[in-house]
Amino acid sequence: DTGVSQDPRHKITKRGQNVTFRCDPISEHNRLYWYRQTLGQGPEFLTYFQNEAQLEKSRLLSDRFSAERPKGSFSTLEIQRTEQGDSAMYLCASSRMTGYNEQFFGPGTRLTVL
Amino acid sequence: GQQLNQSPQSMFIQEGEDVSMNCTSSSIFNTWLWYKQDPGEGPVLLIALYKAGELTSNGRLTAQFGITRKDSFLNISASIPSDVGIYFCAGQLYTDKLIFGTGTRLQVFP
Repeated sequence: DTGVSQDPRHKITKRGQNVTFRCDPISEHNRLYWYRQTLGQGPEFLTYFQNEAQLEKSRLLSDRFSAERPKGSFSTLEIQRTEQGDSAMYLCASSRMTGYNEQFFGPGTRLTVL
Repeated sequence: GQQLNQSPQSMFIQEGEDVSMNCTSSSIFNTWLWYKQDPGEGPVLLIALYKAGELTSNGRLTAQFGITRKDSFLNISASIPSDVGIYFCAGQLYTDKLIFGTGTRLQVFP
């Protein structure tokens, strides 16, 4: 049973550039979540999908952020026109579609915006 | 965004000691989860709690879902060096999103 994988693990970009991250959930998991974690804080919810449907988006997800899960398997998170404040660890998690919400996290993508 | 209050913020203990930490919220939750995070890695799920008053163990770890549904506790017995890390609580109510705590940083000295 492979875990959640994320790619890339690290990304350094210049302010104003666009970046895209990928998440592959655990294979039998229907739900996929994105969180953002800044230094010294706990993760904060961004958005989540059930299969290919995006069911909830946080107010943290400005219009420069977009997430997709086109075939209900992997997901991408794109940030357009990056700003220095976007520097953070972006975490992906997945869970089964049952009454028990045990979310399993990937290793994260560390974004640094110069 | 909303974060739960965890205490203590950090702990420095000797190997073999027991550890207690807690997490409190102004809101009730239906689920409490405890995670451990190492530097540069994602959180790893330790224990999940689904009923008020529930006490659950996972090896040397024991966690409780508070009766008021506004708090949870995690105990680690006989700490070892690999227990070093940041421990996060997370609560969930009606939607699937998790609300995380501020974290407790644990250091274990030999």
